[in-house]
Parts: sequence; structure tokens; C-alpha cells
Amino acid sequence: QSALTQPPSASRSPGESVTISCTGTSSDVGAYNYVSWYQQHPGKAPKLIIYDVTKRPSGVPDRFSGSKSGNTASLTVSGLQAEDEADYYCSSYTGTNTYVLFGGGTKLTVL
Amino acid sequence: QVHVQESGPGLVYPSETLSLTCTVSGDSILNYYWSWIRQPPGRGLEWLGYRYYNGNTHSNPSLKSRLTMSIDMSKNQFSLKLTSVTAADTAVYFCATVTWGSFSNWGQGTLVTVSS
Repeated sequence: QSALTQPPSASRSPGESVTISCTGTSSDVGAYNYVSWYQQHPGKAPKLIIYDVTKRPSGVPDRFSGSKSGNTASLTVSGLQAEDEADYYCSSYTGTNTYVLFGGGTKLTVL
Repeated sequence: QVHVQESGPGLVYPSETLSLTCTVSGDSILNYYWSWIRQPPGRGLEWLGYRYYNGNTHSNPSLKSRLTMSIDMSKNQFSLKLTSVTAADTAVYFCATVTWGSFSNWGQGTLVTVSS
């Protein structure tokens, strides 16, 4: 199984919204509602911001939201702030030997 | 709130065994499934494997039989051993709790360089 597909980069201005896609297959993203999103600042560990497609862990602002349609999941960040500038990774449970696949990551720049 | 800290040697010689430990505090290691994830410099994330205290374990097939994971309940520690390392195993190694493929409670990571 190949990694999930994410756009390598995205850029927006503060206050705007951005949606980052994560495309898999009917064997992973399309098969299970176990898609997660992670935010990673340089030199830091990834931080879980969305799990089970749409759920936010405690403490994650509601500016972050997740959705899924078919084999593609999406992360939307609204009201962009400077601190949202980071790398974002998606992942999906696969239910197979590979267990979980990650996307290649999207570098979000807040101009 | 569970806290996680990885530790181990920063340099490993090619063909040798990489050994890392994840020390858990703030909660019992028995309450979670544990996973190792790595990130080569400048690249994306790769799941290595998970283990539960009862022995339930699963490794990424790409690592074949090189990976061994264990849990020491007396020390609240989760460990990794990766044999026959090459330069391709150079990465930041993270441990984290895992539920249905979702990783939370990450450690800060530890950089391991494979080089002679």
C-alpha cells in the first residue's frame, strides 16, 4: 500500500481558511472512519488535532475541522493565525498488515 | 496526563542494533497501546509497530523481522530494538499511545544517526 496523497504545500493569509486534502483508496480512507490529522512545528513532535475523521482532542481550537468524502479526507483550518504555520500530516487506519498509512505532509504557510 | 520520554544512543554503527526506550509517567503503561513512529530528516512519518502489555503486537511489514518491541511493566517502559541497521534507518524516533491508528501522547522524539 502506498502513502496517502497530500498536496506538498499551501499558503494563505491570516484570517483566511484553508482546506488540505488527503487521498487514499477504498482500502484505507474510504473503508474506515479512522482518519487522523497531525500538526507538526519545526523540531517538535507531531500533535494530534483531529481523530476519527471529525473529532477534536481536548484543547484543540474549533478552528480545526475534519471531514471525509469517499476516499478523500480533508482538514479545514479557518481564521488562520500565524501559529498555524506548520506541517500537517494525515493518517488512516488500514485494517491490514500495514495497520496505518501516513500522508506525505503539507507545509502550510501563513503569509 | 500521560507523559512520554524517549531515550537512547544518538549514534549507531551500520549493521548493529538500535535500542531505544520510552519512559512513561503520569499514568500506567498498562492503560494504552504503544507505538513507535519514525521520521527521517526532512521527510514524512512512518509507523513502525505497536504493542500492548498483554503481548498483542504488530510490526510494519516493511521492517520484516528486524523489529522487536517490549514492555517492562515494573519500570513503566516501552522499548524498541531494530537490528541490522543501515543509513536508511537514520531518523527521529517517536513513541506514542495509539488507538485505531490514531497517535496521541507523543514523546519529544530522539534522533538516531546510523553512520560509521
